[in-house]
Amino acid sequence: AQTVTQSQPEMSVQEAETVTLSCTYDTSESNYYLFWYKQPPSRQMILVIRQEAYKQQNATENRFSVNFQKAAKSFSLKISDSQLGDTAMYFCAFMNTGNQFYFGTGTSLTVIP
Amino acid sequence: DSGVTQTPKHLITATGQRVTLRCSPRSGDLSVYWYQQSLDQGLQFLIQYYNGEERAKGNILERFSAQQFPDLHSELNLSSLELGDSALYFCASRGGRGSGGANNEQFFGPGTRLTVL
Repeated sequence: AQTVTQSQPEMSVQEAETVTLSCTYDTSESNYYLFWYKQPPSRQMILVIRQEAYKQQNATENRFSVNFQKAAKSFSLKISDSQLGDTAMYFCAFMNTGNQFYFGTGTSLTVIP
Repeated sequence: DSGVTQTPKHLITATGQRVTLRCSPRSGDLSVYWYQQSLDQGLQFLIQYYNGEERAKGNILERFSAQQFPDLHSELNLSSLELGDSALYFCASRGGRGSGGANNEQFFGPGTRLTVL
């Protein structure tokens, strides 16, 4: 079975600084998808970024980028120029070839003004 | 707005009761997923449907059941409710017709907050 591990329950960062959230996963599959979702205080789940396992290039979406290390089964999220609106719970997610999703336990990020 | 709708937004009921949560996926999406999120917890996968058929089951209690109808909306039925069932219940959809592998992410609805008193 696939598992997703987020080892940082809580993190904080100063506004305008950079922060990296960690995620590791366990799978025997070679083709899969990885995602980061953001859940602000409104509790809405919002997709931040996606990565296809067959792509070696790390995904980037504006201030958000990932460091995808397939061999190490690591998928970290880097947030640059942190903004107050980035304060949220961040969930790492894995989708297997059967289209089943597995979520990590989340990292609570606080951006400090 | 993700395009996924869930009703009701809030539901307050008593122990032992039965409730039905409703989800309408994004237009054209064939897959529906249900999740439970208790206070300050992560997402627990409950069940997945694809085009009306059950595809996968997670940690779904026997007191809970779900179905997906021909118009692709889905309902999650929770019965013999207990205090511990109080949670935020999310529905997510994915896999629009013709999307291929381009957009594999799930799109989440706003959730239904269930409070069992």
